[in-house]
Amino acid sequence: EAQVTQNPRYLITVTGKKLTVTCSQNMNHEYMSWYRQDPGLGLRQIYYSMNVEVTDKGDVPEGYKVSRKEKRNFPLILESPSPNQTSLYFCASSGGTNEKLFFGSGTQLSVL
Amino acid sequence: GNSVTQMEGPVTLSEEAFLTINCTYTATGYPSLFWYVQYPGEGLQLLLKATKADDKGSNKGFEATYRKETTSFHLEKGSVQVSDSAVYFCAKKGGVRSGNTPLVFGKGTRLSVIA
Repeated sequence: EAQVTQNPRYLITVTGKKLTVTCSQNMNHEYMSWYRQDPGLGLRQIYYSMNVEVTDKGDVPEGYKVSRKEKRNFPLILESPSPNQTSLYFCASSGGTNEKLFFGSGTQLSVL
Repeated sequence: GNSVTQMEGPVTLSEEAFLTINCTYTATGYPSLFWYVQYPGEGLQLLLKATKADDKGSNKGFEATYRKETTSFHLEKGSVQVSDSAVYFCAKKGGVRSGNTPLVFGKGTRLSVIA
């Protein structure tokens, strides 16, 4: 089954403790992206990647890192999480000129 | 500009009512336009799209027409069901002179349909 898999689904952590949210897709897609969803603000793009070893900042990249060493994986790294990064995070992918985005089920992160 | 504006929710309707969710965009060219839907506890999924002026996207009884003259892509459904309760996002891609651009989303409109 074609899908985007994010882990974990829920995460509670404390300020300053490094964490990684994993994202994997099995559709051989070139494009991958991370979004955060906050009430009243909709979806905002954090980082995206057009292909392996190519990453670019989205609208709200501060406090986040990403890497794209392999085509299928696009982890989101928070080196020193802060409470304002409490949010619902989504990973998404799409292939080539196909503009349809496939989304993961989301990761609800709470930073205390 | 490069933005998408959609009507604020929440929208609450009775079953079988007519639905309209307004969406307008800014662009210097001719973007592709989309509606995505997010059901409770899930990620977004594509509902419909239109890639050029006057195109009509349709799926699951929902429709939206690409109106270049009003820069709009309003979502409509003639008779909503309880199962349509979700958050709906309007989005655009392209239409900016800077080249390949990611999707730009509106802020989402929550729809609740009551029996």
